[in-house]
Amino acid sequence: QKEVEQDPGPLSVPEGAIVSLNCTYSNSAFQYFMWYRQYSRKGPELLMYTYSSGNKEDGRFTAQVDKSSKYISLFIRDSQPSDSATYLCAMSEGYSSASKIIFGSGTRLSIRP
Amino acid sequence: NAGVTQTPKFRALKTGQSMTLLCAQDMNHEYMYWYRQDPGMGLRLIHYSVGEGTTAKGEVPDGYNVSRLKKQNFLLGLESAAPSQTSVYFCASSYPAGASTDTQYFGPGTRLTVL
Repeated sequence: QKEVEQDPGPLSVPEGAIVSLNCTYSNSAFQYFMWYRQYSRKGPELLMYTYSSGNKEDGRFTAQVDKSSKYISLFIRDSQPSDSATYLCAMSEGYSSASKIIFGSGTRLSIRP
Repeated sequence: NAGVTQTPKFRALKTGQSMTLLCAQDMNHEYMYWYRQDPGMGLRLIHYSVGEGTTAKGEVPDGYNVSRLKKQNFLLGLESAAPSQTSVYFCASSYPAGASTDTQYFGPGTRLTVL
């Protein structure tokens, strides 16, 4: 079993819809949870990170962590065609990124105009 | 600032050939990383460095070597390429942020095909 599981998609939704992206994990020691966005043929870029459980909001994006269920989510409100990308969840035990970060395999998202 | 750059962008090798991938960053970051990205596997850490002159093994280090002779550069070497090393390779760098997780900045990637 992989430490981090992520549905690969692809996920296709109409413009303006609410998008929900999810990951599950097995390591209860994970404390830092991140979402990266990767456009086609580009490197990943950090979108949001959260520490421990709870919600964090940044504009149209909300990251949610439920440590009791070992489940994290990224919600995108009012989705735009420019949100079309692959979204990677990632998590680590320690606060320094020199400690191992485990990435999900990514969910490919397409927003239809 | 160019951020993180990688050379070359594309490369094709024959089995058994060797090559070196170069990563450079101009952000004065202490930490640097090499990942490979394969379909369905996500990003996997090959090697990383927490400072000039230091390197450490990641999750999938076999068949690769690295060197960090200068703070701004991190080299990834394949001594004898194998088809299983066909992948997209990403370099990243970060500055230790102390009490919060530090952001890794990724380069644009190198697409390597081993025939």
